[in-house]
Amino acid sequence: GQNIDQPTEMTATEGAIVQINCTYQTSGFNGLFWYQQHAGEAPTFLSYNVLDGLEEKGRFSSFLSRSKGYSYLLLKELQMKDSASYLCAVSPYNKLIFGAGTRLAVHP
Amino acid sequence: DTAVSQTPKYLVTQMGNDKSIKCEQNLGHDTMYWYKQDSKKFLKIMFSYNNKELIINETVPNRFSPKSPDKAHLNLHINSLELGDSAVYFCASSQDSGGLSGANVLTFGAGSRLTVL
Repeated sequence: GQNIDQPTEMTATEGAIVQINCTYQTSGFNGLFWYQQHAGEAPTFLSYNVLDGLEEKGRFSSFLSRSKGYSYLLLKELQMKDSASYLCAVSPYNKLIFGAGTRLAVHP
Repeated sequence: DTAVSQTPKYLVTQMGNDKSIKCEQNLGHDTMYWYKQDSKKFLKIMFSYNNKELIINETVPNRFSPKSPDKAHLNLHINSLELGDSAVYFCASSQDSGGLSGANVLTFGAGSRLTVL
């Protein structure tokens, strides 16, 4: 089966750095995805990792350790618009299994 | 131009009724999905179709019947609605039904919020 854990809520200050962790157990692994979801909106794709290591995309970076079943999403230079839920998802192959999401509140 | 569009955005109905949600994508993708997001915010896959053929059915009650008239459309019909069906239903698409990756990502619609009274 699959199990994905991430913190329920986090708060951070504008301009700061925040790291959102995700641990997973899965019977098949074809990659780990991070999605951003603003309240009342569609989830939007942020990043994808399939090999161990860090993938950087502007202010967002995502890290994966397959042996530890662990990933994190790093958000730098936080902006108010980054207040959203961040969803960790594992793909066994042709579908996504999502965690419950981490609700991030960015304060001035 | 909306990539994945769903209608209606909001739906309020009584228990026992039958309702449909429609989804269309203009991305030229071959694969479409229905996900359900409940009050605890878990996004759970329900169905997946590739080029009009069912490829994933995640033990959803058979009151839920997806229909794909062509690869750009995937509709969801729900019979005999129950209180527990209240949720946001998201349609999504991907380029193909192969392994999801950075090149084959899920693109979601804006969601349809169903409230059953």
